[in-house]
Amino acid sequence: NAGVTQTPKFQVLKTGQSMTLQCAQDMNHEYMSWYRQDPGMGLRLIHYSVGAGITDQGEVPNGYNVSRSTTEDFPLRLLSAAPSQTSVYFCASSRQKYGYTFGSGTRLTVV
Amino acid sequence: AQSVAQPEDQVNVAEGNPLTVKCTYSVSGNPYLFWYVQYPNRGLQFLLKYITGDNLVKGSYGFEAEFNKSQTSFHLKKPSALVSDSALYFCAVRDYGNNRLAFGKGNQVVVIP
Repeated sequence: NAGVTQTPKFQVLKTGQSMTLQCAQDMNHEYMSWYRQDPGMGLRLIHYSVGAGITDQGEVPNGYNVSRSTTEDFPLRLLSAAPSQTSVYFCASSRQKYGYTFGSGTRLTVV
Repeated sequence: AQSVAQPEDQVNVAEGNPLTVKCTYSVSGNPYLFWYVQYPNRGLQFLLKYITGDNLVKGSYGFEAEFNKSQTSFHLKKPSALVSDSALYFCAVRDYGNNRLAFGKGNQVVVIP
């Protein structure tokens, strides 16, 4: 049982480049979320999904897109990377009323 | 929208002393409350949760938390802190209606040998 798998673990991008952060879970969880973690700011919700085909914005969605074509996968796309998007990104999944299970994170640096 | 406040940036405690990490929350409906711990360069690990039932919840590694509805608080406690408890602790609240999980800013706990 792999849980929540995030790839890559580290990434360096140049300003203006695009990329996709991958997230997959094998627990058949209906809820999935993307967070970014910045020092002193805790975890802020970027986008979340309550099931395949259904996504919604969190508190910091600008510059990011998501899709949920399957229950298992929830990729996060950076459309045109900016230095302000330098952060650690966490994907998480959950069933209703339960805590979220987190991936190990992707450390992204935009130069 | 739900929110969480963790009023202290850092908590210092001597090894063997009681540890308390404070958390207050705001949510429109019934709260689901969680504590997570993060060690350096690691992801978040689940410690405990309150969904319903007893106000005192016991979790992993000897931690417990007390739910107080009138004070909208969910403080994390450990009777005797260990040096290995030094980490970043996050309180989180999940709204029953939208199922979104909102985090506090986190508390750095430093246990002094």
